[in-house]
Amino acid sequence: NAGVMQNPRHLVRRRGQEARLRCSPMKGHSHVYWYRQLPEEGLKFMVYLQKENIIDESGMPKERFSAEFPKEGPSILRIQQVVRGDSAAYFCASSPIVGTPIGGETQYFGPGTRLLVL
Amino acid sequence: AQTVTQSQPEMSVQEAETVTLSCTYDTSESDYYLFWYKQPPSRQMILVIRQEAYKQQNATENRFSVNFQKAAKSFSLKISDSQLGDAAMYFCAYKGETSGSRLTFGEGTQLTVNP
Repeated sequence: NAGVMQNPRHLVRRRGQEARLRCSPMKGHSHVYWYRQLPEEGLKFMVYLQKENIIDESGMPKERFSAEFPKEGPSILRIQQVVRGDSAAYFCASSPIVGTPIGGETQYFGPGTRLLVL
Repeated sequence: AQTVTQSQPEMSVQEAETVTLSCTYDTSESDYYLFWYKQPPSRQMILVIRQEAYKQQNATENRFSVNFQKAAKSFSLKISDSQLGDAAMYFCAYKGETSGSRLTFGEGTQLTVNP
């Protein structure tokens, strides 16, 4: 059973360019989460998606950032007009969610995408 | 808002010895989950152990165990018989009923294992 897949593993962009980060959840998982890890910090929640729906985007910056999880294909985190402050590791996680009130299922993480903005 | 605090930025342990990493959290919720994740130099986030708040019994996974003190809002990780491969950054994380499905992470503890 393949784990969470993320690509690319490393991405270099110049200021003003667009960055597209992809995440394929574990088989059987239909819930995807994106987190950002700035250097020397812990992970910070960005967005939670189910197929074709954004459930919680309260951690997403209001501008330049967007996320989607289409019916077919991977989840995409898109950063437009990147700035140096966007340099970070971006982690995707997935879970199955089994319907308890709290959800409860563990989130399994991908290897991350390291974005460097020059 | 829930917060997670790891007060030890760095810890070290001798190989084969035992080490305890501290974590405290602040919440007004009664139902929640707590996790420890490990991030080795590869930067992959690896689940170490999880604890349901409604369970009084402390979770255990092989050499890893937790001391969950709900009243004190404390969730420490004990690593027994430390191995070189345990060297990593360890993150404590919280997931509560009103925070939806998001995980709230602490700032991490860097564990060094000395041979």
